[in-house]
Formats: sequence, C-alpha cells, structure tokens
Amino acid sequence: EPEVTQTPSHQVTQMGQEVILRCVPISNHLYFYWYRQILGQKVEFLVSFYNNEISEKSEIFDDQFSVERPDGSNFTLKIRSTKLEDSAMYFCATERERQETQYFGPGTRLLVL
Amino acid sequence: KQEVTQIPAALSVPEGENLVLNCSFTDSAIYNLQWFRQDPGKGLTSLLLIQSSQREQTSGRLNASLDKSSGRSTLYIAASQPGDSATYLCAVNSGGYQKVTFGTGTKLQVIP
Repeated sequence: EPEVTQTPSHQVTQMGQEVILRCVPISNHLYFYWYRQILGQKVEFLVSFYNNEISEKSEIFDDQFSVERPDGSNFTLKIRSTKLEDSAMYFCATERERQETQYFGPGTRLLVL
Repeated sequence: KQEVTQIPAALSVPEGENLVLNCSFTDSAIYNLQWFRQDPGKGLTSLLLIQSSQREQTSGRLNASLDKSSGRSTLYIAASQPGDSATYLCAVNSGGYQKVTFGTGTKLQVIP
C-alpha cells in the first residue's frame, strides 16, 4: 500500500539554525499539509498546499516557516531560525482529492536546544 | 472556529470488554471525520473515515458513528485486546482547504 514518507525521523538542532523537513507524498496526491504536535498537546494544523501555492495557513505558520515542492515530488517545510518552542513532532499529510482521507506520514521529531 | 473535544481523556478496561470513545465538535458544517490511533512517540494511523453524508463506518472490531446535527461521533471497539492500547484521536475536516482539527485524544489501556 502506498504511504507517505518523511525524513529525517529525528533531528536535533541548535536554536537559531535552519532546518528542512522533507516529505514524499503518495504519487497521485494533489493536496499537501503540515501539522505539528508539541509533546503532550494536540495535533495542530500548520499549512495546506495545492497547485504549488499555499492554500491556507494557521497563525502558527509565521514568517519563519516556508513550504515548497522543489522538484515536483518532495514537499518540504523549512524553519529559518529555530526557537526552543519549535520542538515538536511534525507530520506531513497528503490527500488525493478534497474531502478524501488524509494520509499521514510517520513524523519528524524535532528537538531545538 | 471548530473545537473538538474527546471524553474521556483516559480509559482503562480489562481485556475482552467492549468500549465507546466519544468525540464532540462545535461546528456541524463538516466534510468528514476521521478516527486515528497514535502509539507513544509514533505517527498517526488512520482507522476510519466517515463522510458527512454517512452515519457509520465499520472496520473489523471497530465501528464509528456520526451524528452531524448534534456534533457527535463515537468509536466503538468490540472485544478489546491489549494491542488496542494507544491514544485515539478524533479529527474533523471542515472549512477552508480541508484543514483537519484534532481532539486532545483518549488514552486507552487494555489490561490483560
């Protein structure tokens, strides 16, 4: 069964450093999302992406965050200057059509020191 | 703004018992509702998806129901097993570009 993959599975970085989290969507999926889950808290929506542009973003998704599909396959989330509070599990999700199941990747656990 | 609440926050049952997990949401204008399972420190596994036009979905020992007008969904687990121990998340898909709003989850422990 096709699945969403994410790399790396874990990343440790120093505060102020840039990180790029990568997601490989299921091949025929058109809608892409990033969510995050701070330890012990809810999974929160960050951003949705369709047709090479952001469709919607939450208040969490400030100027430090950006998303792109650099090569038409990978879907990336970049955090330009990480803060301690960016430490969380980041999930990528993809969807073939609107109103269908969102398939979630296994997540990247980011720790900012 | 959609709010999703799950009750109870934690549940401990003996193996073999049937159980019900509850999810409520504030805005009934939804596209669909998903139930997920999350093991500690792991990702999200989709269990069931109910479209807004449906009343229930079944998969094996799991049955999810949806009452959109009252803003409620339940996940019924029959004949619980220790392997069912995990956190169960309810997620509502509504508005905008299909962003999903998650509940806080119910942590289930099935005791052998």
